[in-house]
Amino acid sequence: AQTVTQSQPEMSVQEAETVTLSCTYDTSESDYYLFWYKQPPSRQMILVIRQEAYKQQNATENRFSVNFQKAAKSFSLKISDSQLGDAAMYFCAYRSVKTSGSRLTFGEGTQLTVNP
Amino acid sequence: KAGVTQTPRYLIKTRGQQVTLSCSPISGHRSVSWYQQTPGQGLQFLFEYFSETQRNKGNFPGRFSGRQFSNSRSEMNVSTLELGDSALYLCASSLSVPGVTGELFFGEGSRLTVL
Repeated sequence: AQTVTQSQPEMSVQEAETVTLSCTYDTSESDYYLFWYKQPPSRQMILVIRQEAYKQQNATENRFSVNFQKAAKSFSLKISDSQLGDAAMYFCAYRSVKTSGSRLTFGEGTQLTVNP
Repeated sequence: KAGVTQTPRYLIKTRGQQVTLSCSPISGHRSVSWYQQTPGQGLQFLFEYFSETQRNKGNFPGRFSGRQFSNSRSEMNVSTLELGDSALYLCASSLSVPGVTGELFFGEGSRLTVL
């Protein structure tokens, strides 16, 4: 079974600064997807960024980028120019390619605080 | 386009009762999955339905069940409620086209409190 670990329960960053959230995972599969989701106080989970394991290039979405290290099974999220609206719980998630459907395995989450 | 709608948003039940939660997916989405979120266990996958059939099931007791209707709306039911069932229940929908990694769109959740 796959597992996802986020070792930082809480992180804080100053507005306009850069912060990196860590995520490691364990799997015996070679093909899979990885995601970062954001859950603000409104509770609605929002997809931030995704990475296909077969792609060597790291995904980027505006101020959000990932550092995907497949051999190390590491998938960190970098938020540049942090904004107050980035404050939320961030979840790293894994999805198998082999298993049909939309089942995600989530990490424990990292609570990000953005200080003005 | 309307998002994923979950009802009710909040509810309080007592031990031993049962509860039914509803989820209306985004129009055109045929896959609906359910997750339980608690402070202690985090986010855990309950089950997924696609075209009225359960496609995947998580490691939850038989008290947790679900179904999907022909219009893709889904319900989940928890019978004989226990205190530990208190949680935020999240529903997510996706297109689930074969060969395409469909993005999951989440609802705002149903907050269940069991007294």
